[in-house]
Amino acid sequence: KQEVTQIPAALSVPEGENLVLNCSFTDSAIYNLQWFRQDPGKGLTSLLLIQSSQREQTSGRLNASLDKSSGRSTLYIAASQPGDSATYLCAVKEYGNKLVFGAGTILRVKS
Amino acid sequence: SAVISQKPSRDICQRGTSLTIQCQVDSQVTMMFWYRQQPGQSLTLIATANQGSEATYESGFVIDKFPISRPNLTFSTLTVSNMSPEDSSIYLCSVEFFTGTGQETQYFGPGTRLLVL
Repeated sequence: KQEVTQIPAALSVPEGENLVLNCSFTDSAIYNLQWFRQDPGKGLTSLLLIQSSQREQTSGRLNASLDKSSGRSTLYIAASQPGDSATYLCAVKEYGNKLVFGAGTILRVKS
Repeated sequence: SAVISQKPSRDICQRGTSLTIQCQVDSQVTMMFWYRQQPGQSLTLIATANQGSEATYESGFVIDKFPISRPNLTFSTLTVSNMSPEDSSIYLCSVEFFTGTGQETQYFGPGTRLLVL
């Protein structure tokens, strides 16, 4: 059974810091890995999607990497801003369309 | 991309009653997914709803408790039946779309916050 773990569970940083969120998964037979952002009352927003054959994806200040063999992914946020404050969720897609989520990292960026 | 709306956005219900949550998508989709997020926990897939066929339920979820309808390619409902306080959660509807780069990306509705007293 696939299990997804995210570390840390919560993170508080001053504005401007670069930070790394970690995600690990137990079964490397994944179709892709997706990072989401969850804001209260607004559901989930997809940030980055990495196919199983890819190593990383970048979007603006966000960079996500994937090491499928070791079952790890990182989300790097450069020059953090207060607007980045949210819960960040990692999810792996198994063959068969099922998404398995981690518990998330609650990020607070202080101004 | 897809725009997904859910109704109601939140509700407070008495135990033993049932609540039906609606999900509307602005484009036609083959599969719609229903997730539950219990307080402080991750999202868990309840079932996958295909238009024209019975929903497929994940382990631990049954049709009698969470009946699902999928009358067309843009709409689905999830009913939480005979509710208990343990059903207090956020319920989210989701669909998959291919982006402009050909990648399958999952989109989520805003969620329905349910509190059962």
